[in-house]
Amino acid sequence: DTEVTQTPKHLVMGMTNKKSLKCEQHMGHRAMYWYKQKAKKPPELMFVYSYEKLSINESVPSRFSPECPNSSLLNLHLHALQPEDSALYLCASSPQFYNEQFFGPGTRLTVL
Amino acid sequence: DAKTTQPPSMDCAEGRAANLPCNHSTISGNEYVYWYRQIHSQGPQYIIHGLKNNETNEMASLIITEDRKSSTLILPHATLRDTAVYYCIVRGLYNQGGKLIFGQGTELSVKP
Repeated sequence: DTEVTQTPKHLVMGMTNKKSLKCEQHMGHRAMYWYKQKAKKPPELMFVYSYEKLSINESVPSRFSPECPNSSLLNLHLHALQPEDSALYLCASSPQFYNEQFFGPGTRLTVL
Repeated sequence: DAKTTQPPSMDCAEGRAANLPCNHSTISGNEYVYWYRQIHSQGPQYIIHGLKNNETNEMASLIITEDRKSSTLILPHATLRDTAVYYCIVRGLYNQGGKLIFGQGTELSVKP
C-alpha cells in the first residue's frame, strides 16, 4: 500500500458540531502532518507528528485538536469551527520528518 | 514566509519541454530545493529535490545554478496531465522539524 487515504472526502458541519477527519497510511512512515489549504492559496502547515508525538503546532486554534493513536493513523478533531475554517484539509506522511512527504487527496470541509 | 520566487503562470505546448524557474537567493548551505506539484483538487505530489548537484528522476530534472541562488525544473515532454501548480520550496532538513513552507507556485498550463 503506497498511498495516504483520507476520510471523509467531503464534510459539511455546523458551528456547534463536533466532527473528526481521519488519515491513514500503511507505508511504515513515522512522521505525519496536517495542512490546511484555502481556495487559490498554497497549503499551510498545521501540525507535525513524529513517532506519534506532536512535534510542531503552528499556533493552530484549539478548536482543532490533532491525535495520533498509532503510527498508521492521524485524526483531526473539530469543534466549534467558524465559517472561515472552510478549506481543504490535507494529510501527509513521510518515512522520517526530514524525508519527502506524500500527501493524501484531502477532505473538503464546509462550515455553515 | 516562503523563501522562493516563481512566476505566477506559464504556458507550454504539449510534447515540448517545460522549464519552470525558481529564485532562492537567500538559500543557506544546508538547505535543499524541493519541487512539488498540485493537480487541481488533488493533494500535492512530490517531484524531486536536490542540494547542489543536478538531479534527474522519472518525472523531471532539476538544474541548480552553481551559486545555488536559482534552479529550474524541467519536464522533458510535457503532457496535458502535467497541467498543475508547481511549488518550489527551500527546506532545511534537520532544523525545521519537517516543515514544508509553500509559496504561491507557478500555474503551468500545457496546451494541445
